Amino acid sequence: DVKVTQSSRYLVKRTGEKVFLECVQDMDHENMFWYRQDPGLGLRLIYFSYDVKMKEKGDIPEGYSVSREKKERFSLILESASTNQTSMYLCASSRVFTGELFFGEGSRLTVL
Amino acid sequence: GNSVTQMEGPVTLSEEAFLTINCTYTATGYPSLFWYVQYPGEGLQLLLKATKADDKGSNKGFEATYRKETTSFHLEKGSVQVSDSAVYFCALSDLGLTGGGNKLTFGTGTQLKVEL
Repeated sequence: DVKVTQSSRYLVKRTGEKVFLECVQDMDHENMFWYRQDPGLGLRLIYFSYDVKMKEKGDIPEGYSVSREKKERFSLILESASTNQTSMYLCASSRVFTGELFFGEGSRLTVL
Repeated sequence: GNSVTQMEGPVTLSEEAFLTINCTYTATGYPSLFWYVQYPGEGLQLLLKATKADDKGSNKGFEATYRKETTSFHLEKGSVQVSDSAVYFCALSDLGLTGGGNKLTFGTGTQLKVEL
């Protein structure tokens, strides 16, 4: 069964802490994405990567960075977490030239 | 820019009722259109898609037709079940990201609750 796995389902962090969210896919997909999901706002794209070490900003990249050192792994980094980054974070992957995204189960981050 | 508008929820139906969830979009060019579903505690999964005007996507009894003239992609099901309770997201795909990536623009989601 194809799979996108996010390392943590639930995290609680304090303001100012550095946070790492990790995502691994086993489908050899070229593209990987980080979305943020908030009630009433739907899903918003933070960053995406189309190849190893390549990344592009999405709609809301401020306060976030990403790393893709290996094709199967895409990490989202919050350098200094703030309370307004409390949210559900969804990782996804896809082949090129297709809109079919495969999502992980999500990581719910609470920043106190 | 591109945008997707969905009807607000929650939508509450009795089992075996007919379902319609409205979705309209604004886009340049000719986007592909999608419905994703999110069951409680899970990530999103693709429900159906349509890649050009007048295409009908279908899966698990759900259907949606790509209507270019009304810029709509309404989701329908003839007889819903309790197991259909979930959040449904309409999305459009914007070709042209670097490296062949497809950016999906999502609607805000519509929660469906089906009761016995």
